[in-house]
Formats: sequence, structure tokens, C-alpha cells
Amino acid sequence: ETGVTQTPRHLVMGMTNKKSLKCEQHLGHNAMYWYKQSAKKPLELMFVYSLEERVENNSVPSRFSPECPNSSHLFLHLHTLQPEDSALYLCASSQDSTGMNTEAFFGQGTRLTVV
Amino acid sequence: KNQVEQSPQSLIILEGKNCTLQCNYTVSPFSNLRWYKQDTGRGPVSLTIMTFSENTKSNGRYTATLDADTKQSSLHITASQLSDSASYICVAHTGGFKTIFGAGTRLFVKA
Repeated sequence: ETGVTQTPRHLVMGMTNKKSLKCEQHLGHNAMYWYKQSAKKPLELMFVYSLEERVENNSVPSRFSPECPNSSHLFLHLHTLQPEDSALYLCASSQDSTGMNTEAFFGQGTRLTVV
Repeated sequence: KNQVEQSPQSLIILEGKNCTLQCNYTVSPFSNLRWYKQDTGRGPVSLTIMTFSENTKSNGRYTATLDADTKQSSLHITASQLSDSASYICVAHTGGFKTIFGAGTRLFVKA
């Protein structure tokens, strides 16, 4: 295991539902990330948190709302999603977000299906 | 425009054979380049990392090369095994929070 745990592994939700994805890292890292992986597309960076502060928001729609209560936990709150939001959502952490300590350790991902 | 292009998109080889995956990157400034392996249903796992001053880096049966002049990298897999079946993703880091992912090469190793 990579030391990054995501729950749930699979999620099916309706477009009017509200749900949350959870990520926890046990590596003592300072940076955490949310990525979206759609079929046959490169990973898309959504959000970056460094020392619990959001430092990057890649033009992500407001129906995705991240939360980082501490350096070990990261949430992605979902509401009124669209079918095209169906994808694998990956959480990752790294020692820091700059320089050479940028190896990202990924969780197993949450397979999200919006119906 | 920063981008990473990988080829081929997919590849089928027989167990025991060697293969080479390609990555061309157009990234500025360039900090480092990583190759990740992603098994189906799992998150990517780092295989190698190289800076612009490094030409080659090995990790077991995986050997990555980097040509900073032509902005090309390759990942060579020796004596492939069934467990090598996965997606291999090339990632260029520009510094700061900027990380550019390739779309990946899907490798299938058959018995």
C-alpha cells in the first residue's frame, strides 16, 4: 500500500445528491492533491493543498468543493453533479509541492458514477 | 503550451519480450520527469525520476532514459512479465505546482 487511503472505492450518486470523498495519508506529507482521471485522458489536477492551505484551483466547477481540515485529511464534497463528472477521482500526497520532493503517492481512487 | 505526448497509445507483447515506451515533452521550465505505473483500478505508482542532468535511471527491469536536448524520454521494460500489464504514464514537472501528465501507454503482456 502507498500510505494514502481513499474511501469509498466506488460511489454511485444521482444528480441531486450530496456526497463526500475522503482521503487520508499516513506519510507525514505536507501537500495533498485531488485529480480527476477520465477514460483515455491524462490525469487532470483539480486542487492542491500545501500545509492545509489551498494553493491551486484549476478552474474546477463549484459543484466540487474541497476541504482540508488538517495535513493528513482531504475531502472532496460533491453536489448537483453531472453525468460527465463520472470518472476515477484520485487523491495523492507528496512531501512538498515544489522542488525534488514531488513524488506523488496516490490512493486507490474512488470510481464515481453519476446517474 | 506545456504538454506531454506518449506513444504508442497501446501495446501488446508476449511474455518474456522487451519493449520500449516513448514520451515527448514540451515543458518550460523543466524540473524533472517521472514514469508511473498504474495497474487497473489502482492509483499510479512512481517507477523512476530524472532531472535534466541525468541520462538514464534503472529500477529493476525498468530503465528510463532522458534526452534533455530533444526533450524525449523512454521507458524500456526487459523480460516482460504478466504483471507488467498496466498503464505507464510519463509526467513532466515544471516546478511549483505544475505537473503535466501524459495520457499514458496501455501495455498488455500475454502468455
